[in-house]
Amino acid sequence: ETGVTQTPRHLVMGMTNKKSLKCEQHLGHNAMYWYKQSAKKPLELMFVYSLEERVENNSVPSRFSPECPNSSHLFLHLHTLQPEDSALYLCASSQRVATNEKLFFGSGTQLSVL
Amino acid sequence: GIQVEQSPPDLILQEGANSTLRCNFSDSVNNLQWFHQNPWGQLINLFYIPSGTKQNGRLSATTVATERYSLLYISSSQTTDSGVYFCAVVPGTSGSRLTFGEGTQLTVNP
Repeated sequence: ETGVTQTPRHLVMGMTNKKSLKCEQHLGHNAMYWYKQSAKKPLELMFVYSLEERVENNSVPSRFSPECPNSSHLFLHLHTLQPEDSALYLCASSQRVATNEKLFFGSGTQLSVL
Repeated sequence: GIQVEQSPPDLILQEGANSTLRCNFSDSVNNLQWFHQNPWGQLINLFYIPSGTKQNGRLSATTVATERYSLLYISSSQTTDSGVYFCAVVPGTSGSRLTFGEGTQLTVNP
């Protein structure tokens, strides 16, 4: 148990659906992150939030829309996804946004887009 | 950007064996972390080790920052050690985030 909880664990959706991924951290951290892990590829950073404010967006398509209502919760809203968006989506948190911080990850949401 | 290369890409061991995983990086770093991803996708932070040596039970890690590499040692391996081991770094010359290597897939057979 890392203190970072993601739901759902698995999600199957059609290209016209709208769904949301949820992440909650119980560590008292102030920074939260979304990563994408595709098969045979390294983890890719998608978004970074610091104290509910988005501080980084790594050229992610607009069909992915993050939301951070408070420092403990992070959402990733999905709409009109493509089959190539199928991947494991991982949430992480750290004490703060800094280059020397230790990251703690959730178990991920395995997303399949049909 | 910084390049992170991990070797070997795949490793198969018998239970009880020892192993060494390597991470080479192309630039100076101020953050290096080792993670273990179990077969269910959970990533566990094993070490935060931008330099020096640390030990935690059967696992230990050494980073030689001046030579731009880090090693993860697993002794007396167990089947529960199976999974993918990732090295991730942050370059010392920029404020960018963790860059992950492609990982080493470890399988420990009983």
